[in-house]
Amino acid sequence: EPEVTQTPSHQVTQMGQEVILRCVPISNHLYFYWYRQILGQKVEFLVSFYNNEISEKSEIFDDQFSVERPDGSNFTLKIRSTKLEDSAMYFCASSEARTQNQPQHFGDGTRLSIL
Amino acid sequence: GESVGLHLPTLSVQEGDNSIINCAYSNSASDYFIWYKQESGKGPQFIIDIRSNMDKRQGQRVTVLLNKTVKHLSLQIAATQPGDSAVYFCAENMSTGGSYIPTFGRGTSLIVHP
Repeated sequence: EPEVTQTPSHQVTQMGQEVILRCVPISNHLYFYWYRQILGQKVEFLVSFYNNEISEKSEIFDDQFSVERPDGSNFTLKIRSTKLEDSAMYFCASSEARTQNQPQHFGDGTRLSIL
Repeated sequence: GESVGLHLPTLSVQEGDNSIINCAYSNSASDYFIWYKQESGKGPQFIIDIRSNMDKRQGQRVTVLLNKTVKHLSLQIAATQPGDSAVYFCAENMSTGGSYIPTFGRGTSLIVHP
């Protein structure tokens, strides 16, 4: 069964440094998403992406965040100047369509630890 | 603000029992609901979904019930197995206005004892 893959599984970065989290969505999917989950808390939506542009973003997704689909397979999340509170699991997801009956498929996440 | 929440943070059952996990939602405009399973170290895994024009939907060993009157969602797992041990959380979606962003609940930890 096709799956969403994320790399790296764990990223340790110094505060203030830039970090790029990578995702390979399922190949025939058109919509891509990033979520984060702070330890012990809910999964929170960050951003959705379709047709090479951001569709929606949450309040969390401020100017330090950006997303990109640099080629036909990768979908990246960049955090420009990391803060301690950016430490979390970051999940990428993709869906075939943006209709109600097309659930999102999640990767296994990247654990981001900011020191 | 409006939120999705779960009544029980932990549910312990014996193998073979049926499990019921509950979820309350407060946004009456939500029209699509999803249950996810999250095992340790893994991402959320889709289990089953239901639209607001339905009150029951069945999958393989799982059933989701939706009660719009009291804004309540439940997930029933039949003949629970040790492999069902995970955190389960519901998510709601409000597609009106073109937004398909789900709001997630905090989750219930299901522990299945052999």
